[in-house]
Amino acid sequence: GIQVEQSPPDLILQEGANSTLRCNFSDSVNNLQWFHQNPWGQLINLFYIPSGTKQNGRLSATTVATERYSLLYISSSQTTDSGVYFCAVEYYGNNRLAFGKGNQVVVIP
Amino acid sequence: DAGVTQSPTHLIKTRGQHVTLRCSPISGHKSVSWYQQVLGQGPQFIFQYYEKEERGRGNFPDRFSARQFPNYSSELNVNALLLGDSALYLCASSRTGTGAETQYFGPGTRLLVL
Repeated sequence: GIQVEQSPPDLILQEGANSTLRCNFSDSVNNLQWFHQNPWGQLINLFYIPSGTKQNGRLSATTVATERYSLLYISSSQTTDSGVYFCAVEYYGNNRLAFGKGNQVVVIP
Repeated sequence: DAGVTQSPTHLIKTRGQHVTLRCSPISGHKSVSWYQQVLGQGPQFIFQYYEKEERGRGNFPDRFSARQFPNYSSELNVNALLLGDSALYLCASSRTGTGAETQYFGPGTRLLVL
């Protein structure tokens, strides 16, 4: 099956700092989503981004499909950004999301 | 519109028992998928259903089964529970389940098997 690797696994940030999370995947995909999992376990949709660049407030994401990676940028981090960020991909005809192991982010005041 | 809903939120069972988890998709969505997330890992795909038909099954034993109803809601059943079945069970819905579309997740059901 498709492999999804996220880095770094753990990240500690000072409030106000910027960060970049990376997701590498091993095959061509037709779906790539970034999620933020809150402390209660809910997966919050951040981006649907199989290719290109999108921005939503302080968050932005870029997927370079030909090179099989995606980046999630967090700018001016806040304590509410703490949690686990997951990258998930779906490859053609597979009808299922394959998740990475996540990036655990802690933002300290 | 309401998001994906799941019930119950928490559940405690003992080994060997049976459990049924329920999911209602977003209105207008016809595909439901189930995922299992154990502590410290990303979610793992269990099943996908579309129009009451199973479209995909992950690497889970036959103790796991599911079905989808005419109103597109779904049930996940697990028989003969093992300690290792303790996990967060997540349901996701999408319009067609054909890929290339956003999947939306519910809040999950936390299952503890003692």
